[in-house]
Amino acid sequence: DGGITQSPKYLFRKEGQNVTLSCEQNLNHDAMYWYRQDPGQGLRLIYYSQIVNDFQKGDIAEGYSVSREKKESFPLTVTSAQKNPTAFYLCASSQREGSEQFFGPGTRLTVL
Amino acid sequence: AQSVTQPDIHITVSEGASLELRCNYSYGATPYLFWYVQSPGQGLQLLLKYFSGDTLVQGIKGFEAEFKRSQSSFNLRKPSVHWSDAAEYFCAVGEDQTGANNLFFGTGTRLTVIP
Repeated sequence: DGGITQSPKYLFRKEGQNVTLSCEQNLNHDAMYWYRQDPGQGLRLIYYSQIVNDFQKGDIAEGYSVSREKKESFPLTVTSAQKNPTAFYLCASSQREGSEQFFGPGTRLTVL
Repeated sequence: AQSVTQPDIHITVSEGASLELRCNYSYGATPYLFWYVQSPGQGLQLLLKYFSGDTLVQGIKGFEAEFKRSQSSFNLRKPSVHWSDAAEYFCAVGEDQTGANNLFFGTGTRLTVIP
């Protein structure tokens, strides 16, 4: 089955540590996205990538980094510079020509 | 700038009753509009979308939405709610002029269904 996988589902880290969240898709989509979701705030765009080896900052990119070395993969690193990293993180992908985005199941990150 | 407003944070309906979730958007051009549903701790699932053409769109799970340009609205409706519809619902507007396919989301409406 085609889809988007995110791992792990739950992640705990100590304050000050960097952590990388995985996102893989087998939909052959060109574009991939990372969102952060906090209660009552909907989804906010962190980074997006339209093509391999290229990515753009979204609305809340500070304290995060990404890479896009392969079409199928778009990992997100939450760095120690992110002041409030505890949140639910969602990865999505879409065809470049269309606007519909498909979402993964999410990773809940808790920083202790 | 694009924006989406969902004025109702939380709605409670009885099972079998009708449902309407409101969504208003701000966008200069013809918008691409979406409704997504999210169960607790899960990702988002697309219910329906509007790109062009017929302003009344049908989606999955018996949902429909109507695009009203004059009111900048894209309200979601269902004639008879089922207990399994309890979830959070997000309206989104798409920007496709740059090819970036970015979506701008509302803050969501949480639906509670009572027996």
